[in-house]
Parts: sequence; structure tokens; C-alpha cells
Amino acid sequence: DVVMTQTPLSLPVTPGQPASITCKSSQNLLYSNGETYLYWYLQKPGQSPQLLIYDVSSRFSGVPDRFSGSGSGTDFTLTISRVEAEDVGVYYCMQGTYLPHTSGQGTKLEIK
Amino acid sequence: EMQLVESGGGLVQPGGSLRLSCAASGFTFSRHAMSWVRQAPGKGLEWVSGTSGSGGTTCYGESVKGRFTIFRDNSKNTLYLQMNGLRAEDTAVYFCAKEWDVTLVGGYFDLWGRGTLVTVSS
Repeated sequence: DVVMTQTPLSLPVTPGQPASITCKSSQNLLYSNGETYLYWYLQKPGQSPQLLIYDVSSRFSGVPDRFSGSGSGTDFTLTISRVEAEDVGVYYCMQGTYLPHTSGQGTKLEIK
Repeated sequence: EMQLVESGGGLVQPGGSLRLSCAASGFTFSRHAMSWVRQAPGKGLEWVSGTSGSGGTTCYGESVKGRFTIFRDNSKNTLYLQMNGLRAEDTAVYFCAKEWDVTLVGGYFDLWGRGTLVTVSS
């Protein structure tokens, strides 16, 4: 199975400041059709996960533009340009290129 | 409004069985692959199993292979997970998740249910 490794696991951030989370995969996530199936989800406290980013860098419907994704191959990054209080929760990267789908350990973002 | 509602969770003894259901509404069920994703208490997300839109393709995580069976009834817009030989380590909230595409590969989860808790304990 593809192993997804996130860093950091804990991320305290001051409101208004930027934040970044890194995700590394044990295999190249480039699929044979040229797409890279790397996703980012946010699980807010007491809620189900919600999709933020798909295919590395595409924002899902309704996701604020302060969220952005980048990367290729095995290295990916989620960036929040200016953190807001509502961004607290656990962020997960997940790959959909290989079966079974696998996810990172999660990064807990908290407000300082 | 698109919605997924899981049911069937509960307390079961080790070695026992349980069947989870996920009722879908607000979208054309057969046009989307569906998955089960679980979350053990205080832990991260673990993809358990998935099935293509037709149900003809299924896949399982190593930890449940041979014990769990995923299937769907497109006439009832319902996804199921039959869980046999349950172990303490299967204790988790089980989420039903809709994939944007009909196939399992390349599908992101754009809709999640609220989850149903399965507790395996004597």
C-alpha cells in the first residue's frame, strides 16, 4: 500500500498568519492518464471530513481561496494564506491513484 | 439536497457480525462509486472498502480483506458493509462516502455521511 506521511502533526497558528502542511507519498501519484490524484480533507471538531482540494490543486466548490494546493510526484503541500478561527481541525491528505486509497496521519491545526 | 445516512452500528462481541447500511438521496446513486472509511477513537482516517457505480468492482483494505464484504443495491439507493469476524481493532466510526466518479480510481469523496459507531467488545 502507498504510505502517506504528513508533517507537521501539530500546527499552532496565529490568526491572519499563513500555514503549510506537507504530504509525502511512498510512490509517485501520477496516474497513467496524466492526472495526479492527491486530495486534501479537513475534519472540523465533531464533524465528518470535508473535501478541500482535489487533483493536487483544484479547490472544491465553496472552499475559500485562501486554501491552495501544490506539488507533484511524491511531494505535496497545502497552504492556507491567512488562517482564520474557523480553519481549526485535522487536515488529511489522501491519495486516489492506487487502491486501496490511503491517507496521512492527519495534521491538527489549532489557533494560538 | 444530497445526503448519506449510515445505520446499523452498535456493540458487538469479538467474532461477531454486523451489517452497516448507507441510504443515499439527492443524486443518481448508480453513477457514483461509493466507499466506507473508518476512524478509530482519536485516530486518523482509514479507507476500508469501495465499490464502483455498478457494484461490479470492489476493493478492500488489507486489514479487513476476507472478513468484510461491500455491496450495493442501486434500486434502493443503498450501500452496505457486511462485517464478519469482528475484532477489537475494528472499533471505529464508519463513514459512508460518495465518490465524484463511477470508478474507484481517481475518485475524491465529495459527500460524507455523519458516521455510525461500531464497538467490538466483550
